[in-house]
Amino acid sequence: AQSVTQLDSQVPVFEEAPVELRCNYSSSVSVYLFWYVQYPNQGLQLLLKYLSGSTLVKGINGFEAEFNKSQTSFHLRKPSVHISDTAEYFCAVSGNSGGSNYKLTFGKGTLLTVNP
Amino acid sequence: NAGVTQTPKFRVLKTGQSMTLLCAQDMNHEYMYWYRQDPGMGLRLIHYSVGEGTTAKGEVPDGYNVSRLKKQNFLLGLESAAPSQTSVYFCASSYSRLAASGEQYFGPGTRLTVT
Repeated sequence: AQSVTQLDSQVPVFEEAPVELRCNYSSSVSVYLFWYVQYPNQGLQLLLKYLSGSTLVKGINGFEAEFNKSQTSFHLRKPSVHISDTAEYFCAVSGNSGGSNYKLTFGKGTLLTVNP
Repeated sequence: NAGVTQTPKFRVLKTGQSMTLLCAQDMNHEYMYWYRQDPGMGLRLIHYSVGEGTTAKGEVPDGYNVSRLKKQNFLLGLESAAPSQTSVYFCASSYSRLAASGEQYFGPGTRLTVT
């Protein structure tokens, strides 16, 4: 089984500041990792994913994340945020083998609020 | 393509009433999922389906039933609604195992209130 911990429930930042949203996971098997974004009153959409290969993955809207196997982390970063980045961000994990590789386990979410 | 659609968008039920939430996808996806989202809890998997005619329990299945009679539709039923089922419900679908598709596609959600 897998689990995800998002270390901050809320992150307020000013526009054009950098931001890091933290995510740690635990799993007994190798994993795939995802970040989803949910804008107000909408469904979730994929920001980026790590399946294999380079540990630094780039996603949409200027976001990137780094997979760190030794620290079991997958932190999301953006060097300069915009007001439009205000949303809730979810980290998710899936096992990459057997019966667990099509089910996502989500963290509890981090609400990013970008202030002018 | 409409992607994943959910019907209805909003619903208010009284305790003990029943209802069915409909999810439809036009991407020919094999896998479909129902989640509930509660404040501070993230998304929790209720039931899922790995193909037409098959369903399985997720993390929080009690009080819900599902059916997948057609590949494109996944229905979530509440037989006797309880206030604890007040939530936002999301349907999602994926092409195949996440290793291949890497993504679940989500509907816009159904906001259900049980009084």
